[in-house]
Amino acid sequence: GAVVSQHPSRVICKSGTSVKIECRSLDFQATTMFWYRQFPKQSLMLMATSNEGSKATYEQGVEKDKFLINHASLTLSTLTVTSAHPEDSSFYICSARDLYSYEQYFGPGTRLTVT
Amino acid sequence: DQQVKQNSPSLSVQEGRISILNCDYTNSMFDYFLWYKKYPAEGPTFLISISSIKDKNEDGRFTVFLNKSAKHLSLHIVPSQPGDSAVYFCAARYGGADGLTFGKGTHLIIQP
Repeated sequence: GAVVSQHPSRVICKSGTSVKIECRSLDFQATTMFWYRQFPKQSLMLMATSNEGSKATYEQGVEKDKFLINHASLTLSTLTVTSAHPEDSSFYICSARDLYSYEQYFGPGTRLTVT
Repeated sequence: DQQVKQNSPSLSVQEGRISILNCDYTNSMFDYFLWYKKYPAEGPTFLISISSIKDKNEDGRFTVFLNKSAKHLSLHIVPSQPGDSAVYFCAARYGGADGLTFGKGTHLIIQP
């Protein structure tokens, strides 16, 4: 149980385009999902907290208009990287907090490469 | 300013011996600490956690110790096995904020 999926697992896009990453909790409901970003040999940095049915809360330094987050249901949150640039290339990981147990479970991550 | 620090980027331990991974934190508001194991290009996998009201938590081969006065925690793995080779992240959070603050990780290498 407690599986979180991300799609796609890896994506290559051209500079200036937008990319959408999906995060799904497969066997539990999550009112809260989190989006992290990891640079090579770096820590995971929390980008934003996504709450079902309300606006996401962004960490300091994260551009809201660039990283659009939508949490339309209890099992799905999406992160859209708009007007992507090469410096947005990174490993994006989501986690979902179980509505009842409050445990957090991580997805397998999405490797984004912007050329 | 890094609030969770793992000062050893890598650690090499012989199979069967004890692996000790260390973590320090600066934010005294943290009240819950977790250890994750991570392989390249995969998401972190939860290992073990500890609340700030405890000083030790044990789960099989994994034991986490918390020293609040020193703002230090450690993960002990005994005996170490080849499958334990991975990057280990220390993470912390505090009440009211559910997002985790991670350390930079320690790459544990178990040698046969």
